[in-house]
Amino acid sequence: SQKIEQNSEALNIQEGKTATLTCNYTNYSPAYLQWYRQDPGRGPVFLLLIRENEKEKRKERLKVTFDTTLKQSLFHITASQPADSATYLCALVDNDMRFGAGTRLTVKP
Amino acid sequence: DTEVTQTPKHLVMGMTNKKSLKCEQHMGHRAMYWYKQKAKKPPELMFVYSYEKLSINESVPSRFSPECPNSSLLNLHLHALQPEDSALYLCASSRLSSLGRGVPGELFFGEGSRLTVL
Repeated sequence: SQKIEQNSEALNIQEGKTATLTCNYTNYSPAYLQWYRQDPGRGPVFLLLIRENEKEKRKERLKVTFDTTLKQSLFHITASQPADSATYLCALVDNDMRFGAGTRLTVKP
Repeated sequence: DTEVTQTPKHLVMGMTNKKSLKCEQHMGHRAMYWYKQKAKKPPELMFVYSYEKLSINESVPSRFSPECPNSSLLNLHLHALQPEDSALYLCASSRLSSLGRGVPGELFFGEGSRLTVL
């Protein structure tokens, strides 16, 4: 069966450190993968998209990697700030879009 | 602020009521979506409309009835709901990608409608 696993339900880090979140999938052949941020009680907000033929994408303090052999994407936030505290969702896009369960990131001052 | 507007923000209804959730976008997107999200869970896809036609129905119970009157509007009609249907209902829209498989680009979500069924 198809699965999308974000293998940390919660991640706590100190301000200024790099947060690394993981998204693994099985039985998918995604055209691309997206990362979203969701704050409590609000809709997800798009952050980054990476295509199946791309290895890495960057946007300001954010970096995403995509390894279709390992069936894994890593999402990094460098120089993390308390304002980065939120739930981060990966989403696989094939003929539709499916979300992982999310990782709740807390950045402590 | 999101460019996808959902109303109402909060809705409380009894199991015998009929109500509707509304969603509007003016970004020219031709794909629109309904997702259901329970607390601490990911959004679950319910319906997808592509060019105003229902393209995906994820085996959603018939007490949920979607409608896409035009390319900017998406409704979700609710009737005879159960308490377990209480959740955050999210509407989203997207361009359809150039990959030629009808796959969506990035999704733009509304703020959601928080539904409580008593």
